[in-house]
Amino acid sequence: DAMVIQNPRYQVTQFGKPVTLSCSQTLNHNVMYWYQQKSSQAPKLLFHYYDKDFNNEADTPDNFQSRRPNTSFCFLDIRSPGLGDAAMYLCATSRGSRTDTQYFGPGTRLTVL
Amino acid sequence: GNSVTQMEGPVTLSEEAFLTINCTYTATGYPSLFWYVQYPGEGLQLLLKATKADDKGSNKGFEATYRKETTSFHLEKGSVQVSDSAVYFCALSDTYAGGTSYGKLTFGQGTILTVHP
Repeated sequence: DAMVIQNPRYQVTQFGKPVTLSCSQTLNHNVMYWYQQKSSQAPKLLFHYYDKDFNNEADTPDNFQSRRPNTSFCFLDIRSPGLGDAAMYLCATSRGSRTDTQYFGPGTRLTVL
Repeated sequence: GNSVTQMEGPVTLSEEAFLTINCTYTATGYPSLFWYVQYPGEGLQLLLKATKADDKGSNKGFEATYRKETTSFHLEKGSVQVSDSAVYFCALSDTYAGGTSYGKLTFGQGTILTVHP
């Protein structure tokens, strides 16, 4: 009964080689979020979608893009990964109000060689 | 702007010890407050939450009370177990002037808890 699914769980890519991470949800939530997390630090929000409305955080590098083709799926594209992009990438969903819980997926661990 | 400050870690306890992890916040609106837990190699999961002042959230023996007067949401557990070893994040979700925040979370820096048998 997994609610937020991320694939793959582990991704290895080469410096500069584009990579796509995927997230799907069975909760039918309006909002989907992408976070970057390094070494047990707090997750850093990259962007989020409210339905198809895309909201980018001001300090998210242009190297990071996202697509949400439908309610259930959301993708994170890293156009030219650098060594500093090695991290855990977390997807989360919620109904989108301040009282709602965010439900997180298990994460994708990205390694850049 | 909004911010969350957690006590410095890591915290190391023996099994059955009492746990407190301090959390204080700064917010401009009427925030909801959350504790999320992250076990090794996993995503975050909600531990408990409180959505208005004086509410108490509780789950799995953990408790936290939303104290508006002290802007705090300290996490407590009376008797920790080895299985409680994890990273704990305090977070808030606030309203923003001019529109909704879409539930965006502001996280504290996280506290690593290790419980020994």
